[in-house]
Amino acid sequence: GNSVTQMEGPVTLSEEAFLTINCTYTATGYPSLFWYVQYPGEGLQLLLKATKADDKGSNKGFEATYRKETTSFHLEKGSVQVSDSAVYFCALRGYGGSQGNLIFGKGTKLSVKP
Amino acid sequence: ETGVTQTPRHLVMGMTNKKSLKCEQHLGHNAMYWYKQSAKKPLELMFVYSLEERVENNSVPSRFSPECPNSSHLFLHLHTLQPEDSALYLCASSYRQTNEKLFFGSGTQLSVL
Repeated sequence: GNSVTQMEGPVTLSEEAFLTINCTYTATGYPSLFWYVQYPGEGLQLLLKATKADDKGSNKGFEATYRKETTSFHLEKGSVQVSDSAVYFCALRGYGGSQGNLIFGKGTKLSVKP
Repeated sequence: ETGVTQTPRHLVMGMTNKKSLKCEQHLGHNAMYWYKQSAKKPLELMFVYSLEERVENNSVPSRFSPECPNSSHLFLHLHTLQPEDSALYLCASSYRQTNEKLFFGSGTQLSVL
């Protein structure tokens, strides 16, 4: 079945550092890929998405490129801020029946220090 | 604020108690979901309701019983839970089951003693 694997956290960075959170997936066909973010004490929010190979999703300075050849969707940001401290979830959605539901990874906690 | 409200925020219950979690949305969505968030595990999809009908039940133990009386409300009834059921329970909604953008509530942090 479909699955998502993301790097173990926590990740601790200083403000203005470069961020990469790795995500790889296993799926049949051509899934859509997502990053969701969960700020402390809140529910998850959609951060960005990509629906086909080579698409780049971007939002709030974050970017991720759908790489079918490496089955990856790594999240990057050039300069993190303290306010980016949160848990980041990679997710995919396949097609048809139960495959149409979102499948999430374990989440990666990011802490940004001033 | 995502427009999805969950109550209570925190719940402590004994293994013999019966309690209910409530979720409410007034976003006009017609699909609602229960997810379980445990430490160091992927988010687990428990139940999906579409147009008030249950369309997904991912092998969840019968001690968890969902109810969707209308498209705006979703409940999760709990009885005779186990300590390993302690987790954050998240409710989400979307315009339709196949919609990619889910709106999540803040969750109910459940502790089973």
